[in-house]
Amino acid sequence: GAGVSQSPSNKVTEKGKDVELRCDPISGHTALYWYRQSLGQGLEFLIYFQGNSAPDKSGLPSDRFSAERTGGSVSTLTIQRTQQEDSAVYLCASSLYGGGSYNEQFFGPGTRLTVL
Amino acid sequence: RKEVEQDPGPFNVPEGATVAFNCTYSNSASQSFFWYRQDCRKEPKLLMSVYSSGNEDGRFTAQLNRASQYISLLIRDSKLSDSATYLCVVPSGGSYIPTFGRGTSLIVHP
Repeated sequence: GAGVSQSPSNKVTEKGKDVELRCDPISGHTALYWYRQSLGQGLEFLIYFQGNSAPDKSGLPSDRFSAERTGGSVSTLTIQRTQQEDSAVYLCASSLYGGGSYNEQFFGPGTRLTVL
Repeated sequence: RKEVEQDPGPFNVPEGATVAFNCTYSNSASQSFFWYRQDCRKEPKLLMSVYSSGNEDGRFTAQLNRASQYISLLIRDSKLSDSATYLCVVPSGGSYIPTFGRGTSLIVHP
């Protein structure tokens, strides 16, 4: 079946512009995560959605970052007034919710964001 | 101590070699552990899970040492295609937000 998809695959923007990144999780997966990965670095957790519950936003680095998930499916991550340090690969992952236990995360191919 | 620590490497080994790398974790309450593989410029994919003492899958063996709080990944008979970054993952908090290590880079050469 279809995996996690993300769009765009690459995004180049100018400093100060807003960008919107999209994630389509695997159908039926109720848990959705956003991460970012800078060159040579590990995955940095940003935000977690589970069903209709309030998202866990504890990883968002600043108030310029926000995300929403409509209808429990598609999610968008918005970065306002982008800065050069926002340049990274933004990865989305989805998983089946297992009552609080960790389930395998399936990752999308990522969006490579470059802020000039 | 960081939550999850890995030696970044790179581990540079010839084909056919056996290589092992460790991952240390700080949360003693963690019950399950995972190894993901990430190829260059690709997304991470699950390689193995470790729930108790260990897990073996073909050439790959993952082991858990709770007393010393580390997990290890052993790769036997290395192949060129094993070249990748191996990420250690430890669920934390309410077990639904995992902590990823920075990864260990493995390069297998002819």
